[in-house]
Amino acid sequence: DTAVSQTPKYLVTQMGNDKSIKCEQNLGHDTMYWYKQDSKKFLKIMFSYNNKELIINETVPNRFSPKSPDKAHLNLHINSLELGDSAVYFCASSLGDYNEQFFGPGTRLTVL
Amino acid sequence: QKEVEQNSGPLSVPEGAIASLNCTYSDRVSQSFFWYRQYSGKSPELIMSIYSNGDKEDGRFTAQLNKASQYVSLLIRDSQPSDSATYLCAVISGSARQLTFGSGTQLTVLP
Repeated sequence: DTAVSQTPKYLVTQMGNDKSIKCEQNLGHDTMYWYKQDSKKFLKIMFSYNNKELIINETVPNRFSPKSPDKAHLNLHINSLELGDSAVYFCASSLGDYNEQFFGPGTRLTVL
Repeated sequence: QKEVEQNSGPLSVPEGAIASLNCTYSDRVSQSFFWYRQYSGKSPELIMSIYSNGDKEDGRFTAQLNKASQYVSLLIRDSQPSDSATYLCAVISGSARQLTFGSGTQLTVLP
């Protein structure tokens, strides 16, 4: 199936830990994204990345870092997890900056 | 002022009726406009994209864009209970090159 996939689907961890979420797309897209959806269901961009440029939303703490081994993958690494990081994280991809974005199934992160 | 504004609802319509969802945006140089549907516990699903002024129809869905008024809407004809979901308006501005979402409108279609 052509899609955007994420692992894990659920992630439960303790405050202070470091964790990673993986994202892969097989749509042949050149741009990938990470979004955070908080408890109020508001969806907000965290990062956008293509092979040339990383755009970081200025509100994202530097504990969050995207890592892209290749065009089809964009992983999210989070250091020193805090309670407020609990949310659903969505990966997405598109062909170019201004075109339709397709979302992965999401990763529900719970920090205890 | 929020960059993308939607009525949060909830909006309830009877089955078979037309559901009308509205969205305004603040950045005049916005270029790309999208409607996503999100079921509870699921990821946003793209249902419509529109890039130029006017109407765009796809099945029971019609997106309308008016750049002069900075307004985009979504009409759902012959609404079905399966259309019950949160509908998210999203805009890509020319300057930011990022997709900005509204807070969503929760739609319930009553059988």
